[in-house]
Amino acid sequence: EVQLVESGGGLVQPGESLRLSCEASGFTFRDYNMIWVRQAPGKGLEWVSYISSYSSAKNYADSVKGRFTISRDNAKNSLYLQVNSLRAEDTAVYYCARYGRTWSFDYWGQGTLVTVSS
Amino acid sequence: QSALTQPPSASGSPGQSVTISCTGTSSDVGTYDYVSWYQQHPGKAPKVMIYEVSKRPSGVPDRFSGSKSGNTASLTVSGLQAEDEADYYCSSYAGSNILVFGTGTKVTVL
Repeated sequence: EVQLVESGGGLVQPGESLRLSCEASGFTFRDYNMIWVRQAPGKGLEWVSYISSYSSAKNYADSVKGRFTISRDNAKNSLYLQVNSLRAEDTAVYYCARYGRTWSFDYWGQGTLVTVSS
Repeated sequence: QSALTQPPSASGSPGQSVTISCTGTSSDVGTYDYVSWYQQHPGKAPKVMIYEVSKRPSGVPDRFSGSKSGNTASLTVSGLQAEDEADYYCSSYAGSNILVFGTGTKVTVL
């Protein structure tokens, strides 16, 4: 069974940092591209970042470029998102998702909540 | 990286059909046949219902169908059922490893 489990969220103050993790199981992680998507409370989905299977390609939404860094460790079946210089508007549930077909995502984690507040 | 435009809400009675539009630009929906649709129930993760404009993953009922014309994609849910009440989001590839989501549509089954 494919599973994606996010962790690392929490309550932080503006300007602080967090490292979000997504542990994958039930499939060959190194064969799949992955993304992070976030959803602010009561709001819609927002794509955050993309990473290819062997990390050769990465990209970020303009809203997080320069502050967030995506990475992965295929040996540990894990995806990461380093989030720095956090702002109130970064408050959201952060989901990791597996690239299934051409730019559609077939498995999603349950999300981890990041709250940025003073 | 502007969000694709969807109507905020749509509704229909059980058994009826509802169609949701998703309007982008010539840089995303209009160029790539990589439009997907996701269903999200409250407090749950999104679930892919349609990929590559009109293809259904295994297990998704054939009541769900997708299409595209120009810069606008559409999702039609036929034979509405109570469990179809949810938020629906479109997404499109926008080139250069960038994905864009729609603004979301809340579907209500009357």
